[in-house]
Amino acid sequence: NAGVMQNPRHLVRRRGQEARLRCSPMKGHSHVYWYRQLPEEGLKFMVYLQKENIIDESGMPKERFSAEFPKEGPSILRIQQVVRGDSAAYFCASSVDWDSPLHFGNGTRLTVT
Amino acid sequence: GNSVTQMEGPVTLSEEAFLTINCTYTATGYPSLFWYVQYPGEGLQLLLKATKADDKGSNKGFEATYRKETTSFHLEKGSVQVSDSAVYFCALVRDSSYKLIFGSGTRLLVRP
Repeated sequence: NAGVMQNPRHLVRRRGQEARLRCSPMKGHSHVYWYRQLPEEGLKFMVYLQKENIIDESGMPKERFSAEFPKEGPSILRIQQVVRGDSAAYFCASSVDWDSPLHFGNGTRLTVT
Repeated sequence: GNSVTQMEGPVTLSEEAFLTINCTYTATGYPSLFWYVQYPGEGLQLLLKATKADDKGSNKGFEATYRKETTSFHLEKGSVQVSDSAVYFCALVRDSSYKLIFGSGTRLLVRP
């Protein structure tokens, strides 16, 4: 019973490039959440998605960041024109429903050079 | 606003020592409180939780009591093992159950 799968584990991008982070939720989970952990800080909520819908994006930066969870395939967090300040660990979580415990993936560590 | 403050790490202990990791919070109303653990190379796992004042959460020998008067949720274990080496995160939820607010994490290293 695979857990939440994130890939890649590590991603290096130069300033101005695009970063795509993928997340496959646990089997049977249709609710996906993205969190970001900046260096020396706690994880911070970014966005909550269900299949084909963004439910809550109150934690997403207004520019360059977008997320989707298509009908088929993994959830994608996309960061356009990355800057050094985007370097962080990005965690995905999933749950059975909105009020159930979150199960987290191992995270993707993005480094912008 | 709502926030969580944890003691800075790393915390280094010998096997069988007593563990305390301090956590205090700031929140309006009555949040639910959590401890998550992240073992090396793995994702965060829920360790224990408490949903109201004076509740005690416990799991795998770890305990934490929700203290409203001191706004604290300190994590304790009577006798740590090498396998407890990990990063521990304190967190709260105030409104939406999926909007966890995390502390910055405390790394625990247990030596044989």
